[in-house]
Amino acid sequence: EVQLVESGGGLVQPGGSLRLSCAASGVTFSSYSMNWVRQAPGKGLEWVSYISSSGNTKYYADSVRGRFTISRDNVKNSLSLQMNSLGAEDTAIYYCTRGVTGYDPGYFDYWGQGTLVTVSS
Amino acid sequence: DSQMTQSPSTLSASVGDRVIITCRASQSIRNWLAWYQQKPGKAPKLLIYKASSLESGVPSRFSGNGSGTEFTLTISSLQPDDFATYYCQQYNSYLYTFGQGTKLEIK
Repeated sequence: EVQLVESGGGLVQPGGSLRLSCAASGVTFSSYSMNWVRQAPGKGLEWVSYISSSGNTKYYADSVRGRFTISRDNVKNSLSLQMNSLGAEDTAIYYCTRGVTGYDPGYFDYWGQGTLVTVSS
Repeated sequence: DSQMTQSPSTLSASVGDRVIITCRASQSIRNWLAWYQQKPGKAPKLLIYKASSLESGVPSRFSGNGSGTEFTLTISSLQPDDFATYYCQQYNSYLYTFGQGTKLEIK
């Protein structure tokens, strides 16, 4: 069974940094692209960042480019999101999602349960 | 980037009703469209991919249609478990975009 488990969320002050992690199990992690998707309280879904299966290709939404960095460790089966210069607009639940194999870009077939990031003083 | 617009934003319906949710893209995305269902406090769940392909395990009362810029999600006979928020997503480009969501409420 595929499981994606996010961690690292919490309360951070404006301008601060936070690093999110996603641990994958039940899957050949290195075969799949991965993404981060976020959802502000009471709002819709917003794609944040993509990383290819090898980690060589990365994309970012305009709203986070230059502040967030996506990375992965295919030995440890983990995905990360380093978030810097955080603002109130970054307050959201952050979901780790798996890109389906065979399509690139592709849709997201598995989602973690999410981790809440709150940016507030 | 392809902007995605869903309608309606809210839909009130009864068990047994047939409902249709529409998603429009600002430019052609061919058939690279997925639909997700999200219940309160839960992660989204994939329902439909490639505009009309049903994800394994998803009930057959869900169906998708469309190509280019206009797409629909149809639920043929609403069940109590279907009251949720639905999102479309384009994956024609890596700058993925979602529709703003359609909340399906019990009438």
